Amino acid sequence: GAVVSQHPSRVICKSGTSVKIECRSLDFQATTMFWYRQFPKQSLMLMATSNEGSKATYEQGVEKDKFLINHASLTLSTLTVTSAHPEDSSFYICSARARGENSPLHFGNGTRLTVT
Amino acid sequence: GQNIDQPTEMTATEGAIVQINCTYQTSGFNGLFWYQQHAGEAPTFLSYNVLDGLEEKGRFSSFLSRSKGYSYLLLKELQMKDSASYLCAVLDSNYQLIWGAGTKLIIKP
Repeated sequence: GAVVSQHPSRVICKSGTSVKIECRSLDFQATTMFWYRQFPKQSLMLMATSNEGSKATYEQGVEKDKFLINHASLTLSTLTVTSAHPEDSSFYICSARARGENSPLHFGNGTRLTVT
Repeated sequence: GQNIDQPTEMTATEGAIVQINCTYQTSGFNGLFWYQQHAGEAPTFLSYNVLDGLEEKGRFSSFLSRSKGYSYLLLKELQMKDSASYLCAVLDSNYQLIWGAGTKLIIKP
């Protein structure tokens, strides 16, 4: 099946620093990528949607200057958490979808971010 | 508004069968997905239904009735490793995914 690789799986950083998370589709071209965050025992919350070569569309309440998303190619999207704060600590998950609007989403393994 | 309803938690016995229901009210419909998510891990794709009826994949089956806004995921011959959350998600008319809150399934020996 389709594989999405997300890196790193865990990261601990100090408050005020920036963290970059990578999401790669390994065996298909991901025309659309999605970034989610999930707090413990809560549902997925969509942060932003990105289409290759265009600017990401952010959900209401998500600061685009804080969560920088780049989708430069059909196989790579990155999420950079800038000036991280402890409240940004969460489980960040990317997902990718091939061309075709009803193609299933395939998820990366997630990144556990802890900001100290 | 758009809404996906599924039970918060269910308990079943190893070797038995369990049915997890999902009802939805969305602006349009372009298919329904079921995902499995183990604690601390990302979701994994289980099934996709866009036409009415039952789709079977091994121990897992998924059913859809578009007229009723209803789907279920059926798990047979339950194994302890099936303990997880099961997420129902609907693609609306804009091809946006609307997620349910998930059903936590507890399997007892």
